[in-house]
Amino acid sequence: DQQVKQNSPSLSVQEGRISILNCDYTNSMFDYFLWYKKYPAEGPTFLISISSIKDKNEDGRFTVFLNKSAKHLSLHIVPSQPGDSAVYFCAASAAVQGAQKLVFGQGTRLTINP
Amino acid sequence: EPEVTQTPSHQVTQMGQEVILRCVPISNHLYFYWYRQILGQKVEFLVSFYNNEISEKSEIFDDQFSVERPDGSNFTLKIRSTKLEDSAMYFCASSGSRDGGYTFGSGTRLTVV
Repeated sequence: DQQVKQNSPSLSVQEGRISILNCDYTNSMFDYFLWYKKYPAEGPTFLISISSIKDKNEDGRFTVFLNKSAKHLSLHIVPSQPGDSAVYFCAASAAVQGAQKLVFGQGTRLTINP
Repeated sequence: EPEVTQTPSHQVTQMGQEVILRCVPISNHLYFYWYRQILGQKVEFLVSFYNNEISEKSEIFDDQFSVERPDGSNFTLKIRSTKLEDSAMYFCASSGSRDGGYTFGSGTRLTVV
Protein backbone atom coordinates (compact mmCIF):
# COMPACT_ATOMS: atom_id res chain seq x y z
CA ASP A 1 0.00 0.00 0.00
CA GLN A 2 1.90 3.03 -1.30
CA GLN A 3 -0.87 5.60 -1.32
CA VAL A 4 1.40 8.18 0.29
CA LYS A 5 5.05 8.25 -0.67
CA GLN A 6 8.03 10.17 0.58
CA ASN A 7 10.77 9.28 -1.84
CA SER A 8 13.64 10.86 0.05
CA PRO A 9 14.54 8.85 3.16
CA SER A 10 16.92 11.58 4.30
CA LEU A 11 17.77 15.22 3.74
CA SER A 12 20.64 17.31 5.04
CA VAL A 13 20.39 21.13 5.11
CA GLN A 14 22.60 23.92 6.40
CA GLU A 15 21.27 25.91 9.34
CA GLY A 16 19.51 29.06 8.17
CA ARG A 17 18.70 27.66 4.73
CA ILE A 18 15.38 26.39 3.45
CA SER A 19 14.38 22.75 3.97
CA ILE A 20 11.97 21.31 1.42
CA LEU A 21 10.36 17.99 2.13
CA ASN A 22 8.29 16.34 -0.56
CA CYS A 23 5.37 13.95 -0.58
CA ASP A 24 3.34 12.33 -3.36
CA TYR A 25 -0.01 10.60 -3.12
CA THR A 26 -2.05 8.42 -5.44
CA ASN A 27 -5.55 8.40 -3.95
CA SER A 28 -7.61 11.22 -5.46
CA MET A 29 -10.14 10.81 -2.63
CA PHE A 30 -7.71 12.31 -0.12
CA ASP A 31 -8.99 15.71 0.92
CA TYR A 32 -6.83 16.62 3.88
CA PHE A 33 -3.08 16.51 4.28
CA LEU A 34 -0.91 16.85 7.36
CA TRP A 35 2.74 16.97 8.30
CA TYR A 36 4.05 15.44 11.50
CA LYS A 37 7.46 15.63 13.10
CA LYS A 38 8.86 12.78 15.15
CA TYR A 39 11.78 12.56 17.54
CA PRO A 40 13.14 9.17 18.66
CA ALA A 41 11.15 7.56 21.50
CA GLU A 42 8.33 10.09 21.09
CA GLY A 43 5.02 10.08 19.27
CA PRO A 44 4.51 12.11 16.09
CA THR A 45 3.81 15.80 16.72
CA PHE A 46 1.36 17.63 14.49
CA LEU A 47 2.98 20.49 12.57
CA ILE A 48 0.70 21.84 9.90
CA SER A 49 -2.16 20.76 7.67
CA ILE A 50 -3.88 21.76 4.47
CA SER A 51 -7.30 21.11 3.05
CA SER A 52 -7.65 20.15 -0.61
CA ILE A 53 -9.55 23.37 -1.29
CA LYS A 54 -6.35 25.34 -0.66
CA ASP A 55 -2.96 25.32 -2.30
CA LYS A 56 -0.94 26.91 0.48
CA ASN A 57 -1.00 27.15 4.24
CA GLU A 58 1.55 29.01 6.32
CA ASP A 59 2.32 28.88 10.03
CA GLY A 60 5.43 30.72 11.15
CA ARG A 61 8.49 29.08 9.63
CA PHE A 62 6.42 26.26 8.14
CA THR A 63 4.56 26.41 4.85
CA VAL A 64 2.78 23.56 3.13
CA PHE A 65 2.07 23.67 -0.60
CA LEU A 66 -0.44 21.44 -2.32
CA ASN A 67 -0.49 20.72 -6.06
CA LYS A 68 -3.61 18.65 -6.60
CA SER A 69 -3.10 18.11 -10.31
CA ALA A 70 0.31 16.61 -9.63
CA LYS A 71 -0.88 14.89 -6.42
CA HIS A 72 2.09 16.41 -4.68
CA LEU A 73 2.65 18.36 -1.51
CA SER A 74 5.69 19.85 0.07
CA LEU A 75 6.71 21.27 3.42
CA HIS A 76 9.01 24.26 3.47
CA ILE A 77 10.88 25.20 6.63
CA VAL A 78 12.65 28.53 6.56
CA PRO A 79 14.97 29.34 8.14
CA SER A 80 15.98 25.83 9.22
CA GLN A 81 17.16 25.45 12.81
CA PRO A 82 19.10 22.63 14.52
CA GLY A 83 15.99 21.76 16.56
CA ASP A 84 14.21 20.93 13.32
CA SER A 85 16.33 17.78 12.98
CA ALA A 86 13.81 14.94 13.19
CA VAL A 87 11.85 12.53 11.02
CA TYR A 88 9.03 14.21 9.12
CA PHE A 89 5.94 12.28 8.08
CA CYS A 90 3.45 13.31 5.48
CA ALA A 91 -0.10 11.99 6.07
CA ALA A 92 -3.37 12.13 4.19
CA SER A 93 -7.01 11.38 4.88
CA ALA A 94 -10.23 10.99 2.95
CA ALA A 95 -13.62 12.25 4.06
CA VAL A 96 -15.42 9.58 6.04
CA GLN A 97 -18.11 9.67 8.64
CA GLY A 98 -16.91 9.51 12.18
CA ALA A 99 -13.21 9.43 12.88
CA GLN A 100 -10.53 10.35 10.40
CA LYS A 101 -8.03 7.69 9.34
CA LEU A 102 -4.56 8.87 8.35
CA VAL A 103 -2.35 7.20 5.78
CA PHE A 104 1.30 7.97 6.43
CA GLY A 105 4.31 8.16 4.18
CA GLN A 106 7.55 6.42 5.09
CA GLY A 107 9.11 9.53 6.56
CA THR A 108 12.11 11.72 5.71
CA ARG A 109 14.92 12.16 8.21
CA LEU A 110 15.91 15.84 8.19
CA THR A 111 19.30 16.80 9.57
CA ILE A 112 20.12 20.47 10.06
CA ASN A 113 23.85 21.09 10.10
CA PRO A 114 25.23 24.01 12.11
CA GLU B 1 -0.41 21.77 27.01
CA PRO B 2 -2.80 18.77 27.14
CA GLU B 3 -1.18 15.41 26.48
CA VAL B 4 -2.13 11.91 25.48
CA THR B 5 -0.63 9.56 28.06
CA GLN B 6 0.31 5.98 27.30
CA THR B 7 1.32 3.25 29.72
CA PRO B 8 3.49 1.30 29.95
CA SER B 9 6.28 2.84 27.90
CA HIS B 10 7.77 -0.59 27.28
CA GLN B 11 6.16 -4.01 27.57
CA VAL B 12 7.88 -7.33 27.07
CA THR B 13 5.64 -10.36 26.76
CA GLN B 14 5.88 -13.97 25.76
CA MET B 15 4.33 -15.15 22.53
CA GLY B 16 0.76 -16.26 23.09
CA GLN B 17 0.19 -14.02 26.09
CA GLU B 18 -2.43 -11.31 26.28
CA VAL B 19 -1.38 -7.68 26.58
CA ILE B 20 -3.35 -4.54 27.30
CA LEU B 21 -1.94 -1.21 26.23
CA ARG B 22 -3.43 1.77 28.00
CA CYS B 23 -4.04 5.30 26.89
CA VAL B 24 -5.58 8.39 28.46
CA PRO B 25 -6.67 10.68 25.62
CA ILE B 26 -7.13 14.42 25.98
CA SER B 27 -10.25 14.89 28.05
CA ASN B 28 -12.49 16.83 25.66
CA HIS B 29 -11.50 14.91 22.55
CA LEU B 30 -14.07 12.79 20.79
CA TYR B 31 -12.04 10.72 18.31
CA PHE B 32 -9.58 8.06 19.36
CA TYR B 33 -7.10 6.01 17.41
CA TRP B 34 -4.44 3.34 17.64
CA TYR B 35 -1.53 3.24 15.22
CA ARG B 36 1.60 1.15 15.20
CA GLN B 37 5.09 1.42 13.75
CA ILE B 38 7.19 -1.66 13.22
CA LEU B 39 10.88 -0.80 13.45
CA GLY B 40 12.06 0.88 10.25
CA GLN B 41 8.61 0.95 8.68
CA LYS B 42 5.87 3.53 8.30
CA VAL B 43 3.25 4.42 10.89
CA GLU B 44 0.20 2.23 10.17
CA PHE B 45 -3.43 2.79 11.08
CA LEU B 46 -5.01 0.12 13.27
CA VAL B 47 -8.38 1.39 14.43
CA SER B 48 -10.46 4.50 14.99
CA PHE B 49 -13.12 4.93 17.66
CA TYR B 50 -15.92 7.46 17.93
CA ASN B 51 -19.17 7.64 19.83
CA ASN B 52 -18.32 4.49 21.77
CA GLU B 53 -17.82 2.30 18.76
CA ILE B 54 -15.24 1.41 16.17
CA SER B 55 -15.45 3.71 13.15
CA GLU B 56 -12.95 1.91 11.00
CA LYS B 57 -10.32 -0.78 11.33
CA SER B 58 -7.48 -1.95 9.14
CA GLU B 59 -6.67 -5.44 7.93
CA ILE B 60 -4.07 -5.64 10.68
CA PHE B 61 -6.81 -5.29 13.29
CA ASP B 62 -8.02 -8.87 13.23
CA ASP B 63 -9.92 -10.89 15.84
CA GLN B 64 -6.89 -10.89 18.13
CA PHE B 65 -7.27 -7.15 18.65
CA SER B 66 -9.94 -5.26 20.55
CA VAL B 67 -10.41 -1.75 21.89
CA GLU B 68 -12.38 -0.43 24.82
CA ARG B 69 -13.19 2.84 26.46
CA PRO B 70 -14.19 1.36 29.79
CA ASP B 71 -14.66 4.43 31.95
CA GLY B 72 -14.85 7.60 29.87
CA SER B 73 -11.20 8.46 30.34
CA ASN B 74 -9.13 5.41 29.38
CA PHE B 75 -8.83 3.91 25.92
CA THR B 76 -7.27 0.47 25.77
CA LEU B 77 -5.93 -1.81 23.07
CA LYS B 78 -5.93 -5.52 23.87
CA ILE B 79 -4.04 -8.16 21.94
CA ARG B 80 -5.38 -11.55 23.00
CA SER B 81 -2.61 -13.87 21.88
CA THR B 82 0.52 -12.01 20.89
CA LYS B 83 2.69 -13.07 17.98
CA LEU B 84 6.32 -12.20 17.29
CA GLU B 85 5.22 -9.93 14.44
CA ASP B 86 3.16 -7.83 16.87
CA SER B 87 6.41 -6.35 18.15
CA ALA B 88 6.20 -2.64 17.37
CA MET B 89 5.67 0.83 18.80
CA TYR B 90 1.98 1.34 19.45
CA PHE B 91 0.73 4.91 19.40
CA CYS B 92 -2.55 6.11 20.78
CA ALA B 93 -3.94 9.40 19.45
CA SER B 94 -6.96 11.58 19.95
CA SER B 95 -8.48 14.56 18.19
CA GLY B 96 -11.18 17.06 19.01
CA SER B 97 -12.62 17.28 15.54
CA ARG B 98 -12.61 15.35 12.34
CA ASP B 99 -10.24 17.75 10.62
CA GLY B 100 -8.07 18.54 13.58
CA GLY B 101 -4.51 17.35 13.79
CA TYR B 102 -4.17 14.41 16.09
CA THR B 103 -2.31 14.52 19.36
CA PHE B 104 -0.24 11.37 19.69
CA GLY B 105 1.01 9.77 22.85
CA SER B 106 4.67 8.86 23.27
CA GLY B 107 3.94 5.24 22.44
CA THR B 108 4.32 1.84 24.03
CA ARG B 109 7.13 -0.31 22.74
CA LEU B 110 5.80 -3.87 22.68
CA THR B 111 8.37 -6.64 22.42
CA VAL B 112 7.08 -10.17 21.94
CA VAL B 113 9.64 -12.89 22.71
